[in-house]
Amino acid sequence: LAKTTQPISMDSYEGQEVNITCSHNNIATNDYITWYQQFPSQGPRFIIQGYKTKVTNEVASLFIPADRKSSTLSLPRVSLSDTAVYYCLVGPSGGGADGLTFGKGTHLIIQP
Amino acid sequence: SAVISQKPSRDICQRGTSLTIQCQVDSQVTMMFWYRQQPGQSLTLIATANQGSEATYESGFVIDKFPISRPNLTFSTLTVSNMSPEDSSIYLCSVAPTGTTVYEQYFGPGTRLTVT
Repeated sequence: LAKTTQPISMDSYEGQEVNITCSHNNIATNDYITWYQQFPSQGPRFIIQGYKTKVTNEVASLFIPADRKSSTLSLPRVSLSDTAVYYCLVGPSGGGADGLTFGKGTHLIIQP
Repeated sequence: SAVISQKPSRDICQRGTSLTIQCQVDSQVTMMFWYRQQPGQSLTLIATANQGSEATYESGFVIDKFPISRPNLTFSTLTVSNMSPEDSSIYLCSVAPTGTTVYEQYFGPGTRLTVT
């Protein structure tokens, strides 16, 4: 399974765009990239998933370069409520969840 | 997506006892998962519980300690057996709805367990 590396923490301010990058150098051909958000005392929340290029939904955008060795989660115009831990996961779309690993995540702190 | 509820939301238990955590989903799903998250830490997958088959446990987790039931497509239980203080953690269940990838999961609110 592809290992992921993310910054441990990031700070930003309300109204800014925040980009969190995840490195996954040994991503496999059939692996997808998935991001989750977790607030304190809650279960993780699925944000976005992609395979290549760009994916956008009402919450975020996911940018994946052609070599797929990294990905960037982009949060537009963040607010205080976006303060959370963000996890990047890489794994195949099919089969089981054997060895599924969340990693340490990125602690994003948004300040006024 | 799917809406998942867990019972109990929290409990304080004495060492040596067992606790069964229930997970209920608002729709039929094949794949359900159980995780553990210790305070301030990331999530660790305990096992995959697919209806109609035995649960599949990750390395470091065994059926005798964490027996799982999956009687139908909307319900599962995880039992934490013969508890010790090291079992104090948040236990979460999740599902991968039909038609999504196994990495697109929806989580319950968690059960906060404290073992004294």
